[in-house]
Order: sequence, then structure tokens, then C-alpha cells
Amino acid sequence: EDQVTQSPEALRLQEGESSSLNCSYTVSGLRGLFWYRQDPGKGPEFLFTLYSAGEEKEKERLKATLTKKESFLHITAPKPEDSATYLCAVLFGGGNTPLVFGKGTRLSVIA
Amino acid sequence: NAGVTQTPKFQVLKTGQSMTLQCAQDMNHEYMSWYRQDPGMGLRLIHYSVGAGITDQGEVPNGYNVSRSTTEDFPLRLLSAAPSQTSVYFCASRTRWVRQGASEAFFGQGTRLTVV
Repeated sequence: EDQVTQSPEALRLQEGESSSLNCSYTVSGLRGLFWYRQDPGKGPEFLFTLYSAGEEKEKERLKATLTKKESFLHITAPKPEDSATYLCAVLFGGGNTPLVFGKGTRLSVIA
Repeated sequence: NAGVTQTPKFQVLKTGQSMTLQCAQDMNHEYMSWYRQDPGMGLRLIHYSVGAGITDQGEVPNGYNVSRSTTEDFPLRLLSAAPSQTSVYFCASRTRWVRQGASEAFFGQGTRLTVV
């Protein structure tokens, strides 16, 4: 069973059509949940860290929220340049554990 | 500030050949990791290190070796390349010292490896 599940796998939006991406996790002892953006042929680029339920972070058209077992990445009025794969990762347990990633959501925004 | 640097960017190997993927970071980060990324599989952890001289296996360690002799460098060795190791490899680093929770990981630009 995957510890981190992202949905949908792929999402196609018209420019200006707001939507949300989901990241759910089954681990306990969450120390941090991370959102990354990845463009084709590039490494993941850090967007947000969330630490506790109820926390929210915003950056331009993106807002990340966290509940006890899932996080949402809300995209408001997206533009074509927001097209990318969005990755969610969690860090749990003791200090030496590495990040565990979901499989990502491929977002396409059509002009 | 270079961040995390991976070399080479592209590599083609023949089955059975060995090679080392290089990863260096200049942020004095304690934690370093190697991931592979395959279509539909996401980022899967190969090996990781919590400091010089300390390494551990991740989810998919078979066929790979690592060592960490310095804080800056974390090379990944393919012992005898197989077509199943065709993938994009990412190195990441992060610090253990944060005010709250945990720090984010910084990634290199990746090495695209093809084994024929």
C-alpha cells in the first residue's frame, strides 16, 4: 500500500478554470508535508512545507492546505505556465527518515 | 551558490558496464538521497545518507552502491548496468537543523541514464 497517494494522475484545465490537487497519506507521526513542482527535464522545485493540520500557505495562484490525513493544492485562475507535474512528499517518524513521494499529478493548462 | 550539482546530465551504457553518477552539494547539508524516477512510478528512494560515513538503503537499492566520505559528495555506483536501470536519477540534500518540523529537500537537475 502506498504511503502517499496523489489524485488525479492527470488534470487538464482551461486557462482561468480553478481546481484542486489532492495528496493523502497513511503514515503517522507527520513531521512535514512538502509540495514540489517539476517541469519536464528538470529536477523538482520546492513550493511549500506544511507542518500541522489547519495550516495554509500561498504563493501567487497556488494555495496549499493540510488536514489530518490529506493536503490540497488549490490552483486559482491557472495560466499555461502553471503546466507541470506537482509532487507531494511527506516526512514522518524520527529525524533520519527520508522524504516519501507520491506519484505526482500532471497538470496541463490550455490557453 | 550552485546548490546540488549532478554529473553527467546524460549517459548511455551497455549492459554489464559500471559507472558512477556524481552528486555534490555546497550547502553543508547533512542529509543526502538518491532517487530514480520512472514513468508512472514517481520518485523512488535508492539510498540515503544522514552524514559522512553513514548510509542506508531505500526502497529500490539492488544493483546500486553508495558511500559518503565527505559532507559534500554522495556518488551512486552502478555495479553492472542492466536495462531495468534505465531511468532518470535525482540527487537531493537537506539540512537537519530547522526551527520547526523539517527542512525541504533541494534537488539536482538529474541524470538521464539509458542502458542498452
